[in-house]
Amino acid sequence: AQSVTQPDIHITVSEGASLELRCNYSYGATPYLFWYVQSPGQGLQLLLKYFSGDTLVQGIKGFEAEFKRSQSSFNLRKPSVHWSDAAEYFCAALTGTASKLTFGTGTRLQVTL
Amino acid sequence: DSGVTQTPKHLITATGQRVTLRCSPRSGDLSVYWYQQSLDQGLQFLIQYYNGEERAKGNILERFSAQQFPDLHSELNLSSLELGDSALYFCASSVDDEQFFGPGTRLTVL
Repeated sequence: AQSVTQPDIHITVSEGASLELRCNYSYGATPYLFWYVQSPGQGLQLLLKYFSGDTLVQGIKGFEAEFKRSQSSFNLRKPSVHWSDAAEYFCAALTGTASKLTFGTGTRLQVTL
Repeated sequence: DSGVTQTPKHLITATGQRVTLRCSPRSGDLSVYWYQQSLDQGLQFLIQYYNGEERAKGNILERFSAQQFPDLHSELNLSSLELGDSALYFCASSVDDEQFFGPGTRLTVL
């Protein structure tokens, strides 16, 4: 079955430290891939997306993600985390045969000062 | 601000009742999607409409229905509500496979 997996439910990092959030997908063909962020009580904001081409994708708020076909992964990174980055992060996939987004279970990021 | 609006922001109702959630997509977007976010099920796709026609269906209960009107706004109707229907309901609209989400409607069923 097509699925998106985020292995880490909760991650805590210190402000200024680097961050990597993991995402793996299981699809027959490479899907379109997305990272969304959800702050408490807020909707989902798109951070970045990968459709094709350059495997390193730059997004908003200083985030980037790297697509690795061999590992079926699309990990989100940020070199230096800010306290305002504390939120829940969702990886999602969309295939050409369906318009729906399939989301991972999310990773809650806590930032300590 | 994504440009997608949803009303109401919060809704509290009782079991057995019926509610209607409303969504206005971004100007010019023809597709509207509905998602449910709950603690036990996570974020799940419910249904998609494109220019007034149902395009795709996901894990949507028979008690739930949706429609998209000629002005492209959409409504999600939830009936015979159960405690387990308590969740955050998101609407999204899209262009070129990129979906923009509204702020959601938080439904609490007591």
